[in-house]
Amino acid sequence: EAQVTQNPRYLITVTGKKLTVTCSQNMNHEYMSWYRQDPGLGLRQIYYSMNVEVTDKGDVPEGYKVSRKEKRNFPLILESPSPNQTSLYFCASSLEGARGRGYTFGSGTRLTVV
Amino acid sequence: KQEVTQIPAALSVPEGENLVLNCSFTDSAIYNLQWFRQDPGKGLTSLLLIQSSQREQTSGRLNASLDKSSGRSTLYIAASQPGDSATYLCAVLTGANSKLTFGKGITLSVRP
Repeated sequence: EAQVTQNPRYLITVTGKKLTVTCSQNMNHEYMSWYRQDPGLGLRQIYYSMNVEVTDKGDVPEGYKVSRKEKRNFPLILESPSPNQTSLYFCASSLEGARGRGYTFGSGTRLTVV
Repeated sequence: KQEVTQIPAALSVPEGENLVLNCSFTDSAIYNLQWFRQDPGKGLTSLLLIQSSQREQTSGRLNASLDKSSGRSTLYIAASQPGDSATYLCAVLTGANSKLTFGKGITLSVRP
């Protein structure tokens, strides 16, 4: 089944403890992206990658890192999480920048930082 | 900067009603527009994708239209059911970086 898989689905952590949220897609998509969703603010792009080794900042990149060493994986790294990073996170992928077939989203990761 | 607006933020209708959800965007230079459904605390399910050159797309009881020049899209839901209760998000794709810009969504409640 074609899908974007995120792990973990739920995570509670403490301030300052480094964590990684994994994202993997099995559709051979070039383009991958991370979004966070917050009440009243909607979905906002954190980082995106147009292909292997090519990443760039979205609208809210502060406090996050990403890497794209392989086409299928695009992990989101929080080096020193803070409570304002408590949010629902989504990974998405698309073929050729989504101009043809649109985006496929993962099921989300609900992160709580205490 | 692209901005996407969905009004109202919430809508409650009786079962069986036909309804229209509206979406507007400020920059008409889009590649496509995508409608998503989101159940509480869940992921995004793509409902319909309309390319910039298209006027509408249909899937079952859903029909989405696009008027790119006026910056508007509508999602029409025929014969609404309680199972249609969810948040509906509109998103437009723009720019060389293929960025999706989302509206804040319309939370729909269909009463039995």
